[in-house]
Amino acid sequence: DADVTQTPRNRITKTGKRIMLECSQTKGHDRMYWYRQDPGLGLQLIYYSFDVKDINKGEISDGYSVSRQAQAKFSLSLESAIPNQTALYFCATSDARTASSYNEQFFGPGTRLTVL
Amino acid sequence: SQQGEEDPQALSIQEGENATMNCSYKTSINNLQWYRQNSGRGLVHLILIRSNEREKHSGRLRVTLDTSKKSSSLLITASRAADTASYFCATGLVRGYNKLIFGAGTRLAVHP
Repeated sequence: DADVTQTPRNRITKTGKRIMLECSQTKGHDRMYWYRQDPGLGLQLIYYSFDVKDINKGEISDGYSVSRQAQAKFSLSLESAIPNQTALYFCATSDARTASSYNEQFFGPGTRLTVL
Repeated sequence: SQQGEEDPQALSIQEGENATMNCSYKTSINNLQWYRQNSGRGLVHLILIRSNEREKHSGRLRVTLDTSKKSSSLLITASRAADTASYFCATGLVRGYNKLIFGAGTRLAVHP
């Protein structure tokens, strides 16, 4: 979905390096999410944010941090990357302004991260 | 642990056949959604069914929900090669329904 963009799309890094993945959206949604996907598994929620001042941990937040710089931007950082953080990372947004939205989420194209 | 579990993990069919995927979940839900993922790409929302609904249709998609059995099914009728993808169910919980919990997905292969 071109309305949700992620950079970079692919990244190879080494153990111990700090990495930042960025997500931007033009949908005007207030809610943003970071997920990781491992082969054969579904998506696991890392962090989510319901507005600029609201940040919440998801299921697997250890080793990750986030920053909501603006309504449209939500960054994910790996402070010291390790090989088992090799995965596909997705950003998603949802709109809470309408009661009927029921949290349908819109996903970015993903970032493939490899930690050597 | 994941809330939803899809069955089967993989499904291979011929074009024109119907494909049925099932999802079971553990705790009470506000809604259940199905998403599609083409290989290595982002997920795309297909259909949402609320906890007070039993069946919903969208084009060739039919979703059912049985809250007593904590299960849902996704039926794709008259499948096409372009339907080849992974399909995920995601549950919005009664408490904290603003988050979604995803299952591991069903990989569907539709052969011409």
